[in-house]
Amino acid sequence: DAKTTQPNSMESNEEEPVHLPCNHSTISGTDYIHWYRQLPSQGPEYVIHGLTSNVNNRMASLAIAEDRKSSTLILHRATLRDAAVYYCIPLSNAGNMLTFGGGTRLMVKP
Amino acid sequence: EPEVTQTPSHQVTQMGQEVILRCVPISNHLYFYWYRQILGQKVEFLVSFYNNEISEKSEIFDDQFSVERPDGSNFTLKIRSTKLEDSAMYFCASIWDIRNEKLFFGSGTQLSVL
Repeated sequence: DAKTTQPNSMESNEEEPVHLPCNHSTISGTDYIHWYRQLPSQGPEYVIHGLTSNVNNRMASLAIAEDRKSSTLILHRATLRDAAVYYCIPLSNAGNMLTFGGGTRLMVKP
Repeated sequence: EPEVTQTPSHQVTQMGQEVILRCVPISNHLYFYWYRQILGQKVEFLVSFYNNEISEKSEIFDDQFSVERPDGSNFTLKIRSTKLEDSAMYFCASIWDIRNEKLFFGSGTQLSVL
């Protein structure tokens, strides 16, 4: 499994953009980069995934470095509800077991 | 959006007792999973299940654990003789096809072993 490095925690102000970085320098060429988040007292929740190109969905954007050794999850306007632990997970196949690291705990201040 | 449902939300049991945690995956999903999270620690994979058999399991999933899909809707995790260290939040997850982009997780069952 590719090893990932994420900051333990980050803070943001409400309604400001947040950029959550992830390093995955040992990622294989066929691994997608998945992001999940875990809200307090909830199960993990899918956020977004991508392979090489930047991706957007209703929740977030994913910017992937050209060499694929890092990626950044972008929340365009953080809300209080976005306070959660965000996990970056390289995965060759969505059905494979997810290996959760420590993630980044995002705190959003009003 | 469809949901994975887990019951009960909280289960308290005595050490050595058997527990069954129940999950109702999303109805047309074919692949099922159990994960657990000990308080303050990472989410850990336990087992994956497809076509009525285990496809993959972790070292945590020893002989004390078993999974079953007794009917067309439920997916259960049984712990035969609970230990104190089994206390954790247990999450069920499902996916229609392993090529799909996302795993759907339930809200979990908090198991407390006394």
